[in-house]
Amino acid sequence: EVQLVESGGGLVQPGGSLRLSCAASGFTFSSYAMSWVRQAPGKGLEWVSAISGSGGSTYYADSVKGRFTISRDNSKNTLYLQMNSLRAEDTAVYYCAKNTIAAAGTRGGWFDPWGQGTLVTVSS
Amino acid sequence: DIQMTQSPSSLSASVGDRVTITCRASQSISSYLNWYQQKPGKAPKLLIYAASSLQSGVPSRFSGSGSGTDFTLTISSLQPEDFATYYCQQSYSTPRITFGPGTKVDIK
Repeated sequence: EVQLVESGGGLVQPGGSLRLSCAASGFTFSSYAMSWVRQAPGKGLEWVSAISGSGGSTYYADSVKGRFTISRDNSKNTLYLQMNSLRAEDTAVYYCAKNTIAAAGTRGGWFDPWGQGTLVTVSS
Repeated sequence: DIQMTQSPSSLSASVGDRVTITCRASQSISSYLNWYQQKPGKAPKLLIYAASSLQSGVPSRFSGSGSGTDFTLTISSLQPEDFATYYCQQSYSTPRITFGPGTKVDIK
């Protein structure tokens, strides 16, 4: 069974940092691009970042570029999101999601499955 | 970025009703359109990919259609477990994918 389990969320002050992890199992992790998608309380879904299966290509939404860094360790089947200079508007549930293709920049594909999500709250 | 809109933003329906949700893209996205279902406190779940392909394990009462800029998700006979929020998502401009704002389906 394909499974994604996020961890690392919590309460952090504005300007602080947090590192999210997503442990993957049940599939050949290095063969698939992975993404982070977030959902602010009561709001819709927002794509945050993506990384290719090899880790050689990374992509970011404008809202997080320069502050967040996506990475992966294919030997540990784990995806990461390093979040720095956090702002109140970054408060959200963060989901990791498996893409259906290896190259995150290739047109097409979809997210399946998603992890259960981890809540990040940025507040003083 | 490609903007996605959905209509209606919410609807009330009864068990057994036929429900149709519309998704529109700001430019042509061919058939690069996916649909997800999200229940409160849960992660989104893939229902339809590539505009009209039913994900394995998803009941056949769900169907998708459309291409270009206009797409629809249809639930042929609404069941109690279908009350949820539905999102469309374009993967034409990958990796800069965008989601629609969602359509909440609740009980009349």
